Amino acid sequence: QSALTQPASVSGSPGQSITISCTGTSSDVGGYNYVSWYQQHPGKAPKLMIYDVSNRPSGVSNRFSGSKSGNTASLTISGLQAEDEADYYCSSYTSSSTPYVFGTGTKVTVL
Amino acid sequence: EVQLVESGGGLVKPGGSLRLSCAASGFTFSSYSMNWVRQAPGKGLEWVSSISSSSSYIYYADSVKGRFTISRDNAKNSLYLQMNSLRAEDTAVYYCARDRSTVVTTIDYWGQGTLVTVSS
Repeated sequence: QSALTQPASVSGSPGQSITISCTGTSSDVGGYNYVSWYQQHPGKAPKLMIYDVSNRPSGVSNRFSGSKSGNTASLTISGLQAEDEADYYCSSYTSSSTPYVFGTGTKVTVL
Repeated sequence: EVQLVESGGGLVKPGGSLRLSCAASGFTFSSYSMNWVRQAPGKGLEWVSSISSSSSYIYYADSVKGRFTISRDNAKNSLYLQMNSLRAEDTAVYYCARDRSTVVTTIDYWGQGTLVTVSS
């Protein structure tokens, strides 16, 4: 199972919106609505930001939103803040013999 | 509050073995699937293994199949990962992670991780 494809880096100024893409196949992203997004600050454990494509867990800012079109999922961060600077990973359930696949990860930089 | 606390990491020689443990609290452990995910230094997340709530379904990444064994003890609220025939490429922080349901679909909570270093 190959990793889902994400851009290596995305940057934006405070207050701007950025979007991170996550491209898979019809066997993972395109085939199921079990796409999740995780935020990871340096030296910390990942934190769930979006699940089931577009749902936010309790306590996660509504500045984070998710969507999916075909085999590509997207995470949008609006009103970018300094604290959003982190690594972001997508993940999807898959129909292969291994149930999970993660994305390659995207480093978000707040300029 | 969901808490997952890993232990058992450390330095081990290539070919050696290590057993990781994860102590869970703050939720009904027996009602959730559990996972191990690792992250090599400076690298991305890699799913390692999953086990359903009743241990009926177990999955492994191809990279660890035949060398690692996942298990759980619902009476002790604990998850384990027995790692044998360790290789340098197994060096990583290993995270214990909870799924959102009895079956494997979405990881929602993560522990802080335990570092495993395989080196001579």
